Amino acid sequence: NAGVTQTPKFQVLKTGQSMTLQCAQDMNHEYMSWYRQDPGMGLRLIHYSVGAGITDQGEVPNGYNVSRSTTEDFPLRLLSAAPSQTSVYFCASRILGGHNEQYFGPGTRLTVT
Amino acid sequence: GENVEQHPSTLSVQEGDSAVIKCTYSDSASNYFPWYKQELGKGPQLIIDIRSNVGEKKDQRIAVTLNKTAKHFSLHITETQPEDSAVYFCAASRRAGNMLTFGGGTRLMVKP
Repeated sequence: NAGVTQTPKFQVLKTGQSMTLQCAQDMNHEYMSWYRQDPGMGLRLIHYSVGAGITDQGEVPNGYNVSRSTTEDFPLRLLSAAPSQTSVYFCASRILGGHNEQYFGPGTRLTVT
Repeated sequence: GENVEQHPSTLSVQEGDSAVIKCTYSDSASNYFPWYKQELGKGPQLIIDIRSNVGEKKDQRIAVTLNKTAKHFSLHITETQPEDSAVYFCAASRRAGNMLTFGGGTRLMVKP
């Protein structure tokens, strides 16, 4: 199993540009989520999904959109990038129900100038 | 919502010494407390977790303790090794909840 994969690894955007961060998992996990990591602030949940066709907002959803058309994929869209979205983004997945280990991807480092 | 505070933000120890990282949480309904280790350039990885029905859990050189009354939990690493150097995150979650709330992280440096 490849686990959780993310692309790209690095990205530089200009203010106002749009892009999609890709996330895929091959563990057949129902639950997938996106976090952003900023210095001193830990990981903050952006959006999550409990299955195909179902998404919900996390702690910091503004400026981000998600969709879940398949179990495997959970892309994160920035429609109009802002410097405040400069961060490292992590996708994670786990089995739904109870308290199960979350598996994180390697991250995408995004810089918005 | 839940708020998790983590201290210290950085910790430097000599190889072989013990390291302790502490977290407090605000939501008394939280009942699951995992700890993640993040090595440079990688995503976080679960190293140990504890549920609110136990007070302590050990796995070789690492242990976690939980005090539900005071709403705090701690990670203990004994006989530290250079490969323990990383950023450690605590987190908390409600019963059957879908969201983990993370602490701000602790950068642990183990000096050889």
